[in-house]
Amino acid sequence: GAVVSQHPSWVICKSGTSVKIECRSLDFQATTMFWYRQFPKQSLMLMATSNEGSKATYEQGVEKDKFLINHASLTLSTLTVTSAHPEDSSFYICSARIGLANTYEQYFGPGTRLTVT
Amino acid sequence: EDQVTQSPEALRLQEGESSSLNCSYTVSGLRGLFWYRQDPGKGPEFLFTLYSAGEEKEKERLKATLTKKESFLHITAPKPEDSATYLCAVQAGHAGNMLTFGGGTRLMVKP
Repeated sequence: GAVVSQHPSWVICKSGTSVKIECRSLDFQATTMFWYRQFPKQSLMLMATSNEGSKATYEQGVEKDKFLINHASLTLSTLTVTSAHPEDSSFYICSARIGLANTYEQYFGPGTRLTVT
Repeated sequence: EDQVTQSPEALRLQEGESSSLNCSYTVSGLRGLFWYRQDPGKGPEFLFTLYSAGEEKEKERLKATLTKKESFLHITAPKPEDSATYLCAVQAGHAGNMLTFGGGTRLMVKP
């Protein structure tokens, strides 16, 4: 149980284009989903928190207009990197929290490697 | 400000050589401490949640313990397949659902 999937697993795009990454909880309903960014040999950096049906909460320094997050249902959240540039190249990972009282575990997806050329 | 510090940053062990990884934390109102394993190019894999001091959890060769200031991940008789980065994270009561991660410990187990 508690499986989170991401699609695509890797993507290469040209500078100036937009890329959408999907995050799905496969066998549970996720009241809250999170998007992280990870640089090589570094720990995870939280970008934003999204709750189903409401606007995402972005961490300081994360551009809302550049990283669009939509949490359309209890099993799906999407991250769209708009007008991507080479500095946006990174490993993006989503996680989901099971919507049970007093349960705080977050389960992570396998990640999406974005390369902007 | 919530802080999580993991040590050592990197650890090399021979197969069968038991050791411990440390996670020191400073947090206001600990809601939970989490251990994850991350393989290169993959997302973190959930291992354990610890909620209160004195709690212990085990899974195969791994055992996690928690005190009021730190957590240890003990690895007994490790195998090469245990090689990975181990991440510790805390969730504070004031921080909603946000996790604060440590920098991780890169473990390499040589045969």
